[in-house]
Amino acid sequence: EAEVAQSPRYKITEKSQAVAFWCDPISGHATLYWYRQILGQGPELLVQFQDESVVDDSQLPKDRFSAERLKGVDSTLKIQPAELGDSAMYLCASSYSSGDYNEQFFGPGTRLTVL
Amino acid sequence: KQEVTQIPAALSVPEGENLVLNCSFTDSAIYNLQWFRQDPGKGLTSLLLIQSSQREQTSGRLNASLDKSSGRSTLYIAASQPGDSATYLCAVISGNTGKLIFGQGTTLQVKP
Repeated sequence: EAEVAQSPRYKITEKSQAVAFWCDPISGHATLYWYRQILGQGPELLVQFQDESVVDDSQLPKDRFSAERLKGVDSTLKIQPAELGDSAMYLCASSYSSGDYNEQFFGPGTRLTVL
Repeated sequence: KQEVTQIPAALSVPEGENLVLNCSFTDSAIYNLQWFRQDPGKGLTSLLLIQSSQREQTSGRLNASLDKSSGRSTLYIAASQPGDSATYLCAVISGNTGKLIFGQGTTLQVKP
């Protein structure tokens, strides 16, 4: 069964360091999403790609976060420098399209701890 | 601005009980609503997706209903089992980009 892959599963870093997360969506899925989930809350969208283009990055803290999907397949989310408040679960999701029927499938997530 | 609320935040029931989880949203102009399950420290598993034109969807012991006019959805779990213990999240798509807006989740514990 096709799944969204993410790595690493866990990351511990010190504040001011750089971190990067990787996501490989389900094959054939044109739309890719990065969500951030703080403990005890629902996920919130950081950035959405349609193929290699950014569709929505309105909630992405652009002074420290960047995301790319160069060939319209896998994607990388980077934080530089990391801050204590960035500790969270980072979830990647993909869907076949962004139309009305748009079931999103999530990966296992990357748990980030910033010390 | 769309807001999604889930009540209760936590629920504990004995095994075998039928239960209902509630989700409400403030803007009825949604494209669809999706229910997810999340085990501790894990990603989200999609349970059911209801399109805006549908009233309900069923999968095994799960039944989700949607009432757009009142801004409500319910997830019905029949004959609950300890393995159903998890956090259940509902999310809506209300814009044409496909962005999901989530509730805070209901953490369910089913006791043997």
